[in-house]
Amino acid sequence: GEDVEQSLFLSVREGDSSVINCTYTDSSSTYLYWYKQEPGAGLQLLTYIFSNMDMKQDQRLTVLLNKKDKHLSLRIADTQTGDSAIYFCAERGGSSNTGKLIFGQGTTLQVKP
Amino acid sequence: KAGVTQTPRYLIKTRGQQVTLSCSPISGHRSVSWYQQTPGQGLQFLFEYFSETQRNKGNFPGRFSGRQFSNSRSEMNVSTLELGDSALYLCASASGGYNSPLHFGNGTRLTVT
Repeated sequence: GEDVEQSLFLSVREGDSSVINCTYTDSSSTYLYWYKQEPGAGLQLLTYIFSNMDMKQDQRLTVLLNKKDKHLSLRIADTQTGDSAIYFCAERGGSSNTGKLIFGQGTTLQVKP
Repeated sequence: KAGVTQTPRYLIKTRGQQVTLSCSPISGHRSVSWYQQTPGQGLQFLFEYFSETQRNKGNFPGRFSGRQFSNSRSEMNVSTLELGDSALYLCASASGGYNSPLHFGNGTRLTVT
């Protein structure tokens, strides 16, 4: 079945790079997503990657995809205190236009000044 | 462009009552999906509506229902509330086309006492 796993917590120093990891099980997933959730808020779409890509870079964010191992990572360069939040990895369950996403449990990123 | 708007932000209800939550999607978006977020179960897909028709459904009891209007606005209804229905309910909209990413609102926090 569909399942997405993430580590629960990551702590880094301001200015360092953060790497958040995710594994998924559905080999038919076409798109994979990263969302950010700040306290009291909804989910903010950060970036997404198509399954035929290995890497995608967007300013401070780099997404790496290892399709063979079904492993996805999000690297945040020069992490700032404002990056402290919960980060969710998600795969699209089923067809590419479905509104159903399968989410991981979320990784809480703590950035220490 | 205005984002996804959910009303109300907070609700307190008593067991056995029913509740209706509202979601206005981003202008031009025809797909609206609903998710339940709890500390124990994480983010779970409830259902998706596209052009006033339910397109996908998650594994929730029939007490959870929804509908979509011709202007794409959507409502979600929960009848016979249980304590376990206390959660953050998130609405997401998308254009509905190939890989159209989901954009989330800030959610409605429902507390059942």
